Order: sequence, then C-alpha cells, then structure tokens
Amino acid sequence: DAKTTQPNSMESNEEEPVHLPCNHSTISGTDYIHWYRQLPSQGPEYVIHGLTSNVNNRMASLAIAEDRKSSTLILHRATLRDAAVYYCILSDLYGGATNKLIFGTGTLLAVQP
Amino acid sequence: EPEVTQTPSHQVTQMGQEVILRCVPISNHLYFYWYRQILGQKVEFLVSFYNNEISEKSEIFDDQFSVERPDGSNFTLKIRSTKLEDSAMYFCASAGTSGRLGANVLTFGAGSRLTVL
Repeated sequence: DAKTTQPNSMESNEEEPVHLPCNHSTISGTDYIHWYRQLPSQGPEYVIHGLTSNVNNRMASLAIAEDRKSSTLILHRATLRDAAVYYCILSDLYGGATNKLIFGTGTLLAVQP
Repeated sequence: EPEVTQTPSHQVTQMGQEVILRCVPISNHLYFYWYRQILGQKVEFLVSFYNNEISEKSEIFDDQFSVERPDGSNFTLKIRSTKLEDSAMYFCASAGTSGRLGANVLTFGAGSRLTVL
C-alpha cells in the first residue's frame, strides 16, 4: 500500500480556515486519495475523496497537486466539533478484492475557541 | 442518513471466554469489514468480507477470530477464546456497490468496546 505522510498535530482557531497537508510521493496512477476523520470516542468518518481534480462537498474541500504527490484537506471555517484525528489514505481504484483502508497515525487537529 | 449499527457498545468478559460482536451494515452494501483500535493506537484492519467469504485478512486475524453473515443482514465477529490483548474498540464498516473499489466510501459504526479481564 502506498504511504502517506502527515504532520502529527495542528492547531487552529474557531471559525478560521484549516489546511491539513498530506504527502504521498509514491502514489500510483490508480490511487484515490481519501480523507477520513475520527472524533473522540467515535468510529472513523468519511470526509472527502478524489482522484485528480479538486473536490468540494458540504464538509470540506480537497486540493490535489498537479503531480498528485501531495494533497490538502481544507476546512473552510473550523468549529470546535472539527477537533479530531484526520487521516489521509490512498486506495487503489481497482482495489483487488477488498478495497480495505489502511490507517496511519493521522493529524490530530485541535481547535481553540 | 444510513448507519452501520454495532452491538454491544461495551462488553466486559473474562479471559478465555468467547465473544460475539454484532454489526448491521447498510442494507445495500456488499463489502464488509472489521477493524480494531487498541487504546491510544492506530485503527488496524482485521478482515474484509465479500460475496459470503473472507476476501482478505490481516496477520492479527488468526484462528481465534471468525466472521459470519448468518442471515443476510447481520455481520458478526467472533473471538473464540479472548486474551487480555484483545481488549480494544472494534469497528465494523461497510461499503457500497461500485466496481471501482478504490472509489468506495466506507461507513463505520460507532464501535464495540471489548474489555478482557
């Protein structure tokens, strides 16, 4: 499985934008970039995913570098509820038989009021 | 919004006892997973299940573990003889129908906390 590198932790202030970086220099042409988050004492939760183009949804935006070797998850206005561990995960488009996700240590985002 | 439901939310058991953790995946999903998270550690893949059979399992998923989809709705994880190190949060997940597997989104349950004494 291709690896991703994320900062261990980041801090943000409430109502400010947050840019969470992820490096994936060994990404293959068929890897999707997924972002999940895990709120305290909860299961992982899907945030967003993309292949080549930038993506927006109601939770966040995903900016993918042109060479696809890095991506950035953007939370436009952080709230206290966004405090969580954010995971950047690569998943092969053709996934073999499983499409399993392999979680790293992620980025612990702290949001200050 | 459709949910993955897990029961029990917390189970305490004695070492050596059998435990069954239950999950109700999202109804039209075809791919099913179990993960575990030991306190303070990463979320670890245990097993994936598709078309009524295990499609992949990790090294953690040894002979003490088994999975079953007995009735087309429930998806269970059985630990035959629990050890202290099985204490963890166990998450069930399911994913949909896309043939482009890498694009599939996993929906996770809230987890079952297992404490082995």
